[in-house]
Amino acid sequence: EVQLVESGGGLVQPGGSLRLSCAASGFTFSGYAMSWVRQAPGKGLEWVSTISGSGANTYYADSVKGRFTISRDNSKNTLYMQMNSLRAEDTAVYYCAKGSRCEGYYMDVWGKGTTVTVSS
Amino acid sequence: QPVLTQSSSASASLGSSVKLTCTLSSGHSSYIIAWHQQQPGKAPRYLMKLENSGSFNRGSGVPDRFSGSSSGADRYLTISNLQSEDEADYYCETWDSNTYVFGTGTKVTVL
Repeated sequence: EVQLVESGGGLVQPGGSLRLSCAASGFTFSGYAMSWVRQAPGKGLEWVSTISGSGANTYYADSVKGRFTISRDNSKNTLYMQMNSLRAEDTAVYYCAKGSRCEGYYMDVWGKGTTVTVSS
Repeated sequence: QPVLTQSSSASASLGSSVKLTCTLSSGHSSYIIAWHQQQPGKAPRYLMKLENSGSFNRGSGVPDRFSGSSSGADRYLTISNLQSEDEADYYCETWDSNTYVFGTGTKVTVL
């Protein structure tokens, strides 16, 4: 069974940092792009970042460019998101999602999410 | 960058059908999209991929009550024999050069 399990969320002060993880199982992790998608309270889905299967290529939404860094460890089947200079507007549930190909293409599996709250 | 437009809400009676629309912005009418369902308090769930030809592929375990179709820049999701568990938000998704966009979502209410 394909499974994605996020962790690392929590309460952080504005300007602080947090590192999210997503443990993957049930598929050949290195063969697929992976993404982070967030959802602010009461709002819709917002794409945050994507990394190719090899990890060579990364892509970011303008709202997080320069502050967030996506990475992956294919030997550990784990996706990461380093979040720095956090702002109140980064408060959201962060979902890890599997791409349907090694690069580009739609998302076809979602994790349950981890909650990030940025507040003093 | 494509933009996806969805109506904010739709409703239909238990056992009936409802058809949701996701419209691609000008110049992007050939794009493939995906439909996702988000039940209240839960994570999104992938439903299907939908091509501009109208060809669609459901995700694993998705009931055949869910079907897709296309016309020009419009992509449709039809839910037949509506069940109470179909009450959810439905999002369309597309991508361009490895950046992604979601529609604003349609909230489906089962009467």
